[in-house]
Amino acid sequence: EAGVAQSPRYKIIEKRQSVAFWCNPISGHATLYWYQQILGQGPKLLIQFQNNGVVDDSQLPKDRFSAERLKGVDSTLKIQPAKLEDSAVYLCASSLGQGNIQYFGAGTRLSVL
Amino acid sequence: DAKTTQPTSMDCAEGRAANLPCNHSTISGNEYVYWYRQIHSQGPQYIIHGLKNNETNEMASLIITEDRKSSTLILPHATLRDTAVYYCIVRGNNDMRFGAGTRLTVKP
Repeated sequence: EAGVAQSPRYKIIEKRQSVAFWCNPISGHATLYWYQQILGQGPKLLIQFQNNGVVDDSQLPKDRFSAERLKGVDSTLKIQPAKLEDSAVYLCASSLGQGNIQYFGAGTRLSVL
Repeated sequence: DAKTTQPTSMDCAEGRAANLPCNHSTISGNEYVYWYRQIHSQGPQYIIHGLKNNETNEMASLIITEDRKSSTLILPHATLRDTAVYYCIVRGNNDMRFGAGTRLTVKP
């Protein structure tokens, strides 16, 4: 069974530029999560989708971050404009449903210069 | 969700059992204890979870105290590939809150 796919693996941009990350969850998983992991810390939830609806985006900095899951499968996370403090690994996870085991992708490492 | 407390780092000799402790004194009755680990440059990997009873799978064993205020993850025969950050998470209905975890180093 294929795992959670994320791309790109690495991205380097300058501050004030925009960037987008893509996630393809495990087939059949209704719930999708985006996490931010700053170096030396545990992952922090940014947003959770149930199919194509947002369940929780309370920790998403909505002035610069946006995410969508239009068809209830793939998802994109966008940052516009990026700040230096956005340098982190962005992890996508999926689960069969809310409360089920979450499976993580390898993440996208973002460096903002 | 309840907060967890884990040691910052631990060492273990290859082939020996690794016992990783976690305190979760404010855990609620319907909250589960989950363990994940994160190997360098990879995403977190699910290990095991439990509510009250001890659990065992092909990766590890989870021992939860009777009062549920603490737990221990046991890797019975640690290998070099078990070197990782181990996260203990108390999870309620939905979201998971990761702490800083324990950095386990398995040494030859």
